[in-house]
Amino acid sequence: SQTIHQWPATLVQPVGSPLSLECTVEGTSNPNLYWYRQAAGRGLQLLFYSVGIGQISSEVPQNLSASRPQDRQFILSSKKLLLSDSGFYLCAWQRLAGVPDTQYFGPGTRLTVL
Amino acid sequence: KQEVTQIPAALSVPEGENLVLNCSFTDSAIYNLQWFRQDPGKGLTSLLLIQSSQREQTSGRLNASLDKSSGRSTLYIAASQPGDSATYLCAVNSGAQKLVFGQGTRLTINP
Repeated sequence: SQTIHQWPATLVQPVGSPLSLECTVEGTSNPNLYWYRQAAGRGLQLLFYSVGIGQISSEVPQNLSASRPQDRQFILSSKKLLLSDSGFYLCAWQRLAGVPDTQYFGPGTRLTVL
Repeated sequence: KQEVTQIPAALSVPEGENLVLNCSFTDSAIYNLQWFRQDPGKGLTSLLLIQSSQREQTSGRLNASLDKSSGRSTLYIAASQPGDSATYLCAVNSGAQKLVFGQGTRLTINP
């Protein structure tokens, strides 16, 4: 069966510090991978998605970047965090082939920028 | 640009009631529509997926319907239980490998 991991689960960082959140998927190959942010009182916002190694599409121009160094690894990064980067970050995967399938979400990372 | 709206934003009902959550979308050219559940501080769990060619899907006490021409979907929960308390999110797949989410309905079932 497939599983998706995110770490860390929670993170408190000062403004201006760097960020690295990691997501890994097990039990499948060549998945689509997604990063979402859920800010307090707001909906789920798609940040980045990837259809393959090294292929990243950015949905919202901002202070963050994403990378996919391996088939089942997706990393969200920032060089300098802003207060507005606080939120709940969710990684998801989806099967690439066939009829569009559901997305499977990880447990999330709660980021607080102080 | 696809936009998804969920009404109401919050709903509180006594245990045992049947209830309906609503979702509307602006562009009827969709591949599928999905309903998710999110518990506080947790990730999303997929509940039901309706392909564009389908009218409804059922899973246990949950039934989701899709009227693509009118841009609407409903999630029907029968005989609600306190364990059903969560935020329910509707999402539309309009292609390009992406989902567009509504803001969610926060549901509270009172014992």
